[in-house]
Order: sequence, then C-alpha cells, then structure tokens
Amino acid sequence: QVQLQQSGPGLVKPSQTLSLTCAISGDSVSSKSAAWDWIRQSPSRGLEWLGRTYYRSKWYNEYAVSVKSRITINPDTSKNLFSLQLNSVTPEDAAVYYCVKSVGYFDVWGRGTLVTVSS
Amino acid sequence: QSVLTQPPSASGTPGQRVTISCSGSSSNIGRNTVDWHQQLPGTAPKLVIYSNSQRPSGVPDRFSGSKSGTSASLAISGLQSEDEAEYYCAAWDDSLKGWVFGGGTKLTVL
Repeated sequence: QVQLQQSGPGLVKPSQTLSLTCAISGDSVSSKSAAWDWIRQSPSRGLEWLGRTYYRSKWYNEYAVSVKSRITINPDTSKNLFSLQLNSVTPEDAAVYYCVKSVGYFDVWGRGTLVTVSS
Repeated sequence: QSVLTQPPSASGTPGQRVTISCSGSSSNIGRNTVDWHQQLPGTAPKLVIYSNSQRPSGVPDRFSGSKSGTSASLAISGLQSEDEAEYYCAAWDDSLKGWVFGGGTKLTVL
C-alpha cells in the first residue's frame, strides 16, 4: 500500500521560497508506471495542479503554465522522495499543498500541508 | 474560475439517487478521460471514479460515472449520510498541457 508523507514549513515569508518534501513508501520514485505530482487547494483558486516528475528511462518534469517560471520539482532516488520548490511566493500562494501519486489519474494523495504566506 | 464547470451544490435524501455534472471542452473532457474525487471535511481528496466509469477497489458500486462529448457525470445511488462531501471532477487538458479541475460540488444528504 503506497503512502505519501509530507514535510516542510507551514509558514513562509513573502518573496521567499516554499519548500516541501514528500517521502514515498510502498513504491519507488523511479517507477516507470507512475508520476509524482504536486497539487494545491485554496478557497480562491480551488484545486490547482502545479506539476509532476516522472521516470521513463530518463527524468521528465512538467509544470503548470501559471507557476512555470517559479517552480521546481525534483526526485531524490537515494531517499525515495520528491520535492517542491516555489520561488518568490506571495499571499496568493497560501494554500494546502498535496503530493500525489498518479498513474493516469490521481491515485494516492498525501495528507496535505497548510502553507501560510506572511511576514 | 475553474476550467471544468460543476454545480456548486447538490442534495438528496437517504436512499435517493443524485447526479453531479461536469462540463468541459474539446481540449479536456472531449479528448481525455474524466476522474472524480471525494473530499470529506478536513481530509485530502480520494479517488472514487477514474477513466470515466471505473471504480477503484473499495469504492461502493453505488458510485458510477459516465461521459458524453464534453461533459461527464457522477451518479450516487442509494444515498447514505457518509456520502456527504465535496466532489471534484478532473481531466487532462491538451491545450494547457496540464490537469484541470472542476470547482467542486458540495453534496448534502438531507
């Protein structure tokens, strides 16, 4: 049974970088049949897909247009996890952030991390 | 403003059948499959229908899904109090090259 354990600070200052990690158990970040996504949810924007990383003989990343200039999603094969970095955050980036395993659909969700953006 | 359009609310009494619609366009629902997620208060979303009409193991057969053209529907028959939740549709959008969601439908069991 796949489980995703999220970690990272719940408070980020404006203009700084939001960093979260998602540790995978029961599967491998290098799986050739899965992708590893980040999705956020806020009252104003609803559910918003941010991007994903996946391995198909080499690593691929895909990012939402809305955050493409500010986002990085990286796998860490040594620790079997993947991470999210979102630069230059503003109050608009405040949300619950979820890491998700996808296999053509969003199959397993992490529990979510509430991120507040405030000085 | 979500890319996929859902009614903000739906309701039914125990035992009834309710349907929730999801409207999209040729670049998302028109070309790709639709999934449905259930979100109970304070929890993460949970997949209840994938690939238009497939149920993950453990999801009761009271849940069913369908798709026609650029619209999809989630139906819940034999409504139970534990079905009270927010429901979201999701699909890949070929133009945006990303996943898009509906704004969610809050289902109330009266």
